[in-house]
Amino acid sequence: ILNVEQSPQSLHVQEGDSTNFTCSFPSSNFYALHWYRWETAKSPEALFVMTLNGDEKKKGRISATLNTKEGYSYLYIKGSQPEDSATYLCAFDSGAGSYQLTFGKGTKLSVIP
Amino acid sequence: SAVISQKPSRDICQRGTSLTIQCQVDSQVTMMFWYRQQPGQSLTLIATANQGSEATYESGFVIDKFPISRPNLTFSTLTVSNMSPEDSSIYLCSVETGQSNTEAFFGQGTRLTVV
Repeated sequence: ILNVEQSPQSLHVQEGDSTNFTCSFPSSNFYALHWYRWETAKSPEALFVMTLNGDEKKKGRISATLNTKEGYSYLYIKGSQPEDSATYLCAFDSGAGSYQLTFGKGTKLSVIP
Repeated sequence: SAVISQKPSRDICQRGTSLTIQCQVDSQVTMMFWYRQQPGQSLTLIATANQGSEATYESGFVIDKFPISRPNLTFSTLTVSNMSPEDSSIYLCSVETGQSNTEAFFGQGTRLTVV
């Protein structure tokens, strides 16, 4: 059973603050690491798919880093806005045959205006 | 990319009854996936549905409890049978477009409460 851990489970930040959270995953059999944003009553939306050790990706105020050797990824949000409030999921892809993702439990972010 | 319409968005059901969840995709896809997220838990894969063959179930999930149909390349249903309160979850369908290292696309989810 693959173990994908996310921390913290939840956090509250003030509007304008920057924040980050962590995803840890197995360092063996790595194929890709996905980040999704899931707003209530909406579809999970892909943020990043990361494959290379040391990779850093950015989309607007959100960025992510990847360390496959030690098995962790960080997601950063700069200058949080209320619309950033969502659950952020990471998913480990071992590339084992069919396309299967192992998800963490998510980090629930609430941005207080 | 793919746009998925999933319904119902939510339902409250009596124990012992069954609920069928539908997902319609705006393009043809080979593989569709059904997940559930129980309260406080991770999104967990129930089964992979391929058109023209029986679904492949993950450990802990069986066809009698979660029968799946995949009549064509754009549509699938998941039935939650003989429901109990433990089946209260969010159920999500998902597709992948067949290209490597691309993101998954999801339906809006079905929030099921069994009373």
